[in-house]
Amino acid sequence: SQKIEQNSEALNIQEGKTATLTCNYTNYSPAYLQWYRQDPGRGPVFLLLIRENEKEKRKERLKVTFDTTLKQSLFHITASQPADSATYLCALENYGGSQGNLIFGKGTKLSVKP
Amino acid sequence: NAGVTQTPKFQVLKTGQSMTLQCAQDMNHNSMYWYRQDPGMGLRLIYYSASEGTTDKGEVPNGYNVSRLNKREFSLRLESAAPSQTSVYFCASSGEGLRGQPQHFGDGTRLSIL
Repeated sequence: SQKIEQNSEALNIQEGKTATLTCNYTNYSPAYLQWYRQDPGRGPVFLLLIRENEKEKRKERLKVTFDTTLKQSLFHITASQPADSATYLCALENYGGSQGNLIFGKGTKLSVKP
Repeated sequence: NAGVTQTPKFQVLKTGQSMTLQCAQDMNHNSMYWYRQDPGMGLRLIYYSASEGTTDKGEVPNGYNVSRLNKREFSLRLESAAPSQTSVYFCASSGEGLRGQPQHFGDGTRLSIL
C-alpha cells in the first residue's frame, strides 16, 4: 500500500539546537516533495520544495534533503527558536497522480523550549 | 493582498442540514483544492479544480459537491450533513505550471455537525 509517514508525532528540543524532522514514503514516485508549517488554528504555509533530482535545498535556517534511494526527506531547522514551534507537514507530488495534487503526511509537532 | 479567503470560519449544523463553504483567491491561480483535516488523519483531498470549468474527485469525495464558479471562487457543498463530516475544511490554490507549485491555504472553516 502507499504510505507517507512522518516518524514523530511530536519532537521537543532546546532552543539553539538543530531540529531534524523525517518524512518517509512507500510505493510512491515523487516528482517533488514540499514542506509546510502549520500553526494552531491556521492553514498550512509553504516553506520549501525540492525536486527528485535535487539532493538538498536551503532557505535561511531551513534545509531539506531528498534521498530517493532511501525514500526519505529530512527537514532541518538550525539554531531553533521558540517561534519555530509549530506542526510541520511534508507533502509529495506523485508522478502517477494528477498534476499538482499533493499527498500529505500527518505532521510532526515541534516544540522548542527556551 | 488577502490570498485565500474562506467563509465562514466556524459553523455548527444539525444532521441532515445543508451548507456551502465559500473560498476565494486573489492570486489569479488556475488550480484550487478542498481538503479536510481530522486529528490523526492529516490533510485529505476532497475535490480539486485544475482550471476554471473543471472539477475532479480527490481521495474522499463522498457526501460533497463542488462548484468552480469562476477563476477566483471554488465552493464546497454538503447536501445532507452527517456527524462524520465534522472536521476542519481548508481551501487552497496553486499557480501556473503543471507541476512543482506550492499551494496557498486559507485559514479553514471549523464545522461541527450534531
